[in-house]
Amino acid sequence: EAGVAQSPRYKIIEKRQSVAFWCNPISGHATLYWYQQILGQGPKLLIQFQNNGVVDDSQLPKDRFSAERLKGVDSTLKIQPAKLEDSAVYLCASSSQQTYGYTFGSGTRLTVV
Amino acid sequence: TQLLEQSPQFLSIQEGENLTVYCNSSSVFSSLQWYRQEPGEGPVLLVTVVTGGEVKKLKRLTFQFGDARKDSSLHITAAQPGDTGLYLCAGGGSNSGYALNFGKGTSLLVTP
Repeated sequence: EAGVAQSPRYKIIEKRQSVAFWCNPISGHATLYWYQQILGQGPKLLIQFQNNGVVDDSQLPKDRFSAERLKGVDSTLKIQPAKLEDSAVYLCASSSQQTYGYTFGSGTRLTVV
Repeated sequence: TQLLEQSPQFLSIQEGENLTVYCNSSSVFSSLQWYRQEPGEGPVLLVTVVTGGEVKKLKRLTFQFGDARKDSSLHITAAQPGDTGLYLCAGGGSNSGYALNFGKGTSLLVTP
């Protein structure tokens, strides 16, 4: 089966600019996650979707981050405006059920200068 | 957020050596997973353990879930350069909506 697709792979922007990341999960996977991984740390959950509904967004900085999953398939994560501390790898993952193992995409490496 | 502490943070060994990586928490998890992440890639699932005291083997890798389901260990026998990577443990439970909380990882380097 095809894996989790993410784009772009790399993005460099200036602070206060906006950026969007796209994720296409494995077909049929109802649960989709966005994680932020800062260099030297483990992934930190930003938001969890079950189909097209939000299950958990408690750690999403909602003043600048937003995410949506239209039609319960693809998802986009947006940052506006970006700050220097947003420099990280943004990982998308999906699973067929909430209690199952995740399949991660390769991530988008964001550098804010 | 349920915290997972991993140790050691870094490990550099020679090919053929054995090693153990630890994952500890004060929280009880309904399941615990181990992932390996290589540079520039996302984490890849190695194993899921769900029963206290459970031991799973994956070739040269042995995973154990603590009896109280608060800790886990990963033991690698006769490490090879291909084992190099970041090893992450992740725990999930009903009080986290089953979303995984990850430790900071153990960065392993195996040199020939």
